[in-house]
Amino acid sequence: GAGVSQSPSNKVTEKGKDVELRCDPISGHTALYWYRQRLGQGLEFLIYFQGNSAPDKSGLPSDRFSAERTGESVSTLTIQRTQQEDSAVYLCASSSSPNTEAFFGQGTRLTVV
Amino acid sequence: AQSVTQLDSHVSVSEGTPVLLRCNYSSSYSPSLFWYVQHPNKGLQLLLKYTSAATLVKGINGFEAEFKKSETSFHLTKPSAHMSDAAEYFCVVKGQNFVFGPGTRLSVLP
Repeated sequence: GAGVSQSPSNKVTEKGKDVELRCDPISGHTALYWYRQRLGQGLEFLIYFQGNSAPDKSGLPSDRFSAERTGESVSTLTIQRTQQEDSAVYLCASSSSPNTEAFFGQGTRLTVV
Repeated sequence: AQSVTQLDSHVSVSEGTPVLLRCNYSSSYSPSLFWYVQHPNKGLQLLLKYTSAATLVKGINGFEAEFKKSETSFHLTKPSAHMSDAAEYFCVVKGQNFVFGPGTRLSVLP
């Protein structure tokens, strides 16, 4: 597609429920990143996929967070048993190679009530 | 490990005056550096990038940045601010992943 697409754009969920966020990267981009941005703060790295290599999960804040990517296409970020502190904008980005700039999606705004 | 420091959390300038947003980085090797801009309720947009070519990098909307290895700096400048420049600006260093600075909020006063 023309850009990185994320869905849903907004998600309100009850505390304790599981949520799944989706990211469609730019076609042909081998690298895919997930970040979290809490209100008024900078971007916090979550996870990085590069081709078929094992993902870099070093930024995942707890075992309630997981992500998958099928080949070089869609990625899903799953948050289990959501907590209020999970409320944030979740941003996905892709790049054509590890050393080029990243293109960001519009994000999914997650609100846990 | 890479890290980024943005020295000012908020910068306020008058329209038509110069803009300077400061960024210092830490990297164990020759870095790739970027500036991104985030307008309210909008996505992140790449302003410019440095990838070991020319040290003075020109970006979109009249912005430019100079890579100074001796000072480990990559400050963002613009000669004349416009109201539409009001946004959050992030300095970024690329390591294994993109490491973001905390951001500088630019306000432009009429």
